[in-house]
Amino acid sequence: NAGVTQTPKFRVLKTGQSMTLLCAQDMNHEYMYWYRQDPGMGLRLIHYSVGEGTTAKGEVPDGYNVSRLKKQNFLLGLESAAPSQTSVYFCASGRIPDLSNQPQHFGDGTRLSIL
Amino acid sequence: LAKTTQPISMDSYEGQEVNITCSHNNIATNDYITWYQQFPSQGPRFIIQGYKTKVTNEVASLFIPADRKSSTLSLPRVSLSDTAVYYCLVGDRRDDKIIFGKGTRLHILP
Repeated sequence: NAGVTQTPKFRVLKTGQSMTLLCAQDMNHEYMYWYRQDPGMGLRLIHYSVGEGTTAKGEVPDGYNVSRLKKQNFLLGLESAAPSQTSVYFCASGRIPDLSNQPQHFGDGTRLSIL
Repeated sequence: LAKTTQPISMDSYEGQEVNITCSHNNIATNDYITWYQQFPSQGPRFIIQGYKTKVTNEVASLFIPADRKSSTLSLPRVSLSDTAVYYCLVGDRRDDKIIFGKGTRLHILP
């Protein structure tokens, strides 16, 4: 059982380049999330999705786009990478929030450096 | 979403009990308190969740006083492998999203 898988694990980009980070989950979760983590900042929510075909903005959405064409996949795109987007990116998935105990499940992160 | 305040860092020694307190003065009636653990180079992992009084599982205990304005995560007899960042989150379990703060960096010494 893979859980949440992020691809790639590491990547170095030049300023202005574009790329897409892929998140895949095999738990049939409705909700998926993208976070970024910078030193001393904890995790900050970029975008999230409450179901296939839907997306919503989080705390720090600028400079990123997302798509949820399939329930199991959530893609994070950087159209024109900037050094400020150097970070570790985490994807998470979860069931529909309700009154039961439904924690999020996280991948192991993608370390992205923008030169 | 209620704001939480927790210590930036803590040190402890192997074999001791560690208590990390989180303040959440503006907690709402429907809010639950959830703790996550994050090891270096890994994503966060759910530890425990509670609403009031005490919750215990195989990993930790969570103590919540009657006014619910704070909570304490208790880790019994810690080992070096408990060195991690611990996040306290407060929110309605029906919320679409959860917001992480900066967490508490726990360092266990031999």
